[in-house]
Amino acid sequence: GAVVSQHPSRVICKSGTSVKIECRSLDFQATTMFWYRQFPKQSLMLMATSNEGSKATYEQGVEKDKFLINHASLTLSTLTVTSAHPEDSSFYICSARDKGRLTYEQYFGPGTRLTVT
Amino acid sequence: AQKVTQAQTEISVVEKEDVTLDCVYETRDTTYYLFWYKQPPSGELVFLIRRNSFDEQNEISGRYSWNFQKSTSSFNFTITASQVVDSAVYFCALSDYNNNDMRFGAGTRLTVKP
Repeated sequence: GAVVSQHPSRVICKSGTSVKIECRSLDFQATTMFWYRQFPKQSLMLMATSNEGSKATYEQGVEKDKFLINHASLTLSTLTVTSAHPEDSSFYICSARDKGRLTYEQYFGPGTRLTVT
Repeated sequence: AQKVTQAQTEISVVEKEDVTLDCVYETRDTTYYLFWYKQPPSGELVFLIRRNSFDEQNEISGRYSWNFQKSTSSFNFTITASQVVDSAVYFCALSDYNNNDMRFGAGTRLTVKP
């Protein structure tokens, strides 16, 4: 149980284009999902927290107009990187919190590696 | 503010050696969670352990053991008789009790040589 998937696992896009990354909780409902970014050989940094049906909360320094987050259902959150640039190339990881568990544990997806050329 | 420090950037050991990965944390919360994750080259985070702030008991799981000491704000991780498959980046993380604000340490890259 508690499986989180991400799609795509890898994506290459050209500078200036937009790319959408999906995060799904496969066997549980997630009222809250989190998006992290990990640059090569660095740690995971929380980008934003998304709650189902409401606007995402972004961490300081993360441009909300560049990283659009939509959490339209209890099992799906999407991150759209708009007008991507090479400096956006990174490993993006989502996590989801199980609504039904009192421990509020976060379950992590396998990550999406974005390369902007 | 929450902060996690993993002072060891890289560690290299020879197979069968024991190795301890250090983790020191800072928080003003009285209730919180501590975690360890393994990140192999594939990138996917592998959950290893979660410990809440009320439970200072040490834990052992096979070759893995964890030493939680609130007095020194440390949550160290020991691998006994290391194996090549243990080679990965290991992250220590801290979250508030609602798991809303998870902060990761910088990670320790462990290389186990045959």
